[in-house]
Amino acid sequence: DTTLTQSPAFMSATPGDIVTISCKASQGIDDDVNWYQQKPGEAPVFIIEEATTLVPGVPPRFSGSGYGTEFTLTIHNMESEDAAFYFCLQHDKFPLTFGQGTKLEIK
Amino acid sequence: QVQLVESGGGVVQPGKSLRLSCAGSGFTFRNYGMHWVRQAPGQGLEWVTVISYDGDKKWYADAVKGRFTISRDNSKNTLYLQMNRLRAEDTAVYYCAKDSRSGSGGSYSYGMDVWGQGTTVTVSS
Repeated sequence: DTTLTQSPAFMSATPGDIVTISCKASQGIDDDVNWYQQKPGEAPVFIIEEATTLVPGVPPRFSGSGYGTEFTLTIHNMESEDAAFYFCLQHDKFPLTFGQGTKLEIK
Repeated sequence: QVQLVESGGGVVQPGKSLRLSCAGSGFTFRNYGMHWVRQAPGQGLEWVTVISYDGDKKWYADAVKGRFTISRDNSKNTLYLQMNRLRAEDTAVYYCAKDSRSGSGGSYSYGMDVWGQGTTVTVSS
């Protein structure tokens, strides 16, 4: 199975900051990584597909990068509404696996 | 708009069974692979199972293999999860989710795009 190691587990940022979240795969998975945002009590929301493609309707301050084993979610000019949990998912092989998640809080 | 609505959650004793349902609308249900994903209290997301668009192919996480069965009725636009021999560690919110590409869920998946609001399963004596 492919393990995704996500870091940091927790971070705190100020509005206007640049935020980066890392997701490292235990084996090469091409660009088969999606990113999701989840707020408390809500279902996850799809924000990045195929490592780098912004899902329609998602603010352009969100971006994704990476290929193979290392992937990054970046939030430029962070806003208070971005406080949430963020998860990466690999869909290269079954079983699909998620990273452990990153909790992003506002300072 | 695309919508998924889960039902069937509840409190059940260890060793018992429960069946979850997920009704899809706003898209051509029979064209898409469908997933179940769960989230234990205060924890991250755990993929559980997927079924191909035509119901012919199914994949399971090791933690549920042999106990859970995914199925679908494309005539009713409904996805199911039959959960047998439930354990305390199965306690979670269970989400159904649609694969993001048509024709999926067999030999490949593109991951989930739309998720339901979830249904809570509590396994406790």
